[in-house]
Amino acid sequence: AQSVTQLDSQVPVFEEAPVELRCNYSSSVSVYLFWYVQYPNQGLQLLLKYLSGSTLVESINGFEAEFNKSQTSFHLRKPSVHISDTAEYFCAVRSKGAQKLVFGQGTRLTINP
Amino acid sequence: GAGVSQTPSNKVTEKGKYVELRCDPISGHTALYWYRQSLGQGPEFLIYFQGTGAADDSGLPNDRFFAVRPEGSVSTLKIQRTERGDSAVYLCASSSQSDTEAFFGQGTRLTVV
Repeated sequence: AQSVTQLDSQVPVFEEAPVELRCNYSSSVSVYLFWYVQYPNQGLQLLLKYLSGSTLVESINGFEAEFNKSQTSFHLRKPSVHISDTAEYFCAVRSKGAQKLVFGQGTRLTINP
Repeated sequence: GAGVSQTPSNKVTEKGKYVELRCDPISGHTALYWYRQSLGQGPEFLIYFQGTGAADDSGLPNDRFFAVRPEGSVSTLKIQRTERGDSAVYLCASSSQSDTEAFFGQGTRLTVV
């Protein structure tokens, strides 16, 4: 079985500041890793994913995440946030060969001007 | 193209009543998933269909919950004898066989009063 822990339920930051949203997972098998974003009053959207290869993955809107196998982490970072990044962010894992996603509890990112 | 469509967007029902929630996946997607998201939590897996058959229903909480996908496209999640604890956002997602990404609908917010 897999589990995902997002260590911060809420993260407030100022606009243009850097941010890191933490995600740790537990699994006895190899996994795929995902970050989903949920903007206010919208559905879940995939932000980025790690399947294999380079451990650093990037999204089109400036977020990046690094897969660290030894620390079983997949933290999400952005060097400079914008008001439009205000949303809830969910880390998820899926074991290779399975279909279901296991989600963390979510981190609410609030950007203050 | 059209995304995953869920109807209704909101449903209020009385305790003990029966409800049906509908999901229309992206055309051609063979895999369909139901998740439940309680307030302040990440989505939790309920059931996964591959074509018409339920390939994994390990997340259904009890026998009051049932889901069908008779023609391999639209799916209906059915909840009998609803309880206040069933109140949540029910999310549907779909993917093609070659996808590692699941595409989510906007969800149905179920409130049991």
